[in-house]
Amino acid sequence: QVQLVESGGGLVRPGGSLRLSCAASRFTFSDYYMSWIRQAPGKGLEWLSYISSSASMIYYADSVKGRFTISRDNAKNSLYLQMDSLRAEDTAVYFCARDAVPFAGTYDYWGQGTLVTVSS
Amino acid sequence: SYDLTQPRSVSVALGQTATITCGGNNIGSINVHWYQQRPGQAPVLVMYRDSIRPSGIPERFSGSNSGNTATLTISRAQGGDEADYFCQVWDSTTVLFGGGTKLTVL
Repeated sequence: QVQLVESGGGLVRPGGSLRLSCAASRFTFSDYYMSWIRQAPGKGLEWLSYISSSASMIYYADSVKGRFTISRDNAKNSLYLQMDSLRAEDTAVYFCARDAVPFAGTYDYWGQGTLVTVSS
Repeated sequence: SYDLTQPRSVSVALGQTATITCGGNNIGSINVHWYQQRPGQAPVLVMYRDSIRPSGIPERFSGSNSGNTATLTISRAQGGDEADYFCQVWDSTTVLFGGGTKLTVL
């Protein structure tokens, strides 16, 4: 069964940085496009970023453009999200998700999420 | 920017049919996907490309998309269907989610 496991969440002060990781297993990670999606407490889902299988194409939501950086290491079967200049409104559970079809946004597998809390 | 509009809540009697809508300008011209999210859990894909059920999703779930409205229909609603449901589209270079609909099974 496909597995995605996020890590790296925690408490960080406003203006600080955090790097999230998503470890993928039981599928050929290098074949798939991936995304980061978050959910603020009691709110809906917000897409953040998208990366193609070779990392040649990357997209960001306006809300995080210039502050967050998505990357991947296919040799390590891992996806990352570098988050800088964090704000209180970035507090959320962060999910990594696999796109079943390139540029379809059909997320067939999700991790369990990692909580990021931005607070002083 | 493109907006997706969902009712905040829908109620359905046990065993009856629930209809959850997702409104958007000419949404019928693009593919719509649907996710179910139970409390404390990650979302689960329950419908993709408007009307295709992933493996393991009951036949009670169906979808349609035409004009300005996409619809997720849950027949013979069960207690386990109680959850938040989100529609989602791929718009050019971004992914958009609807605000979500809380389904209550009475």
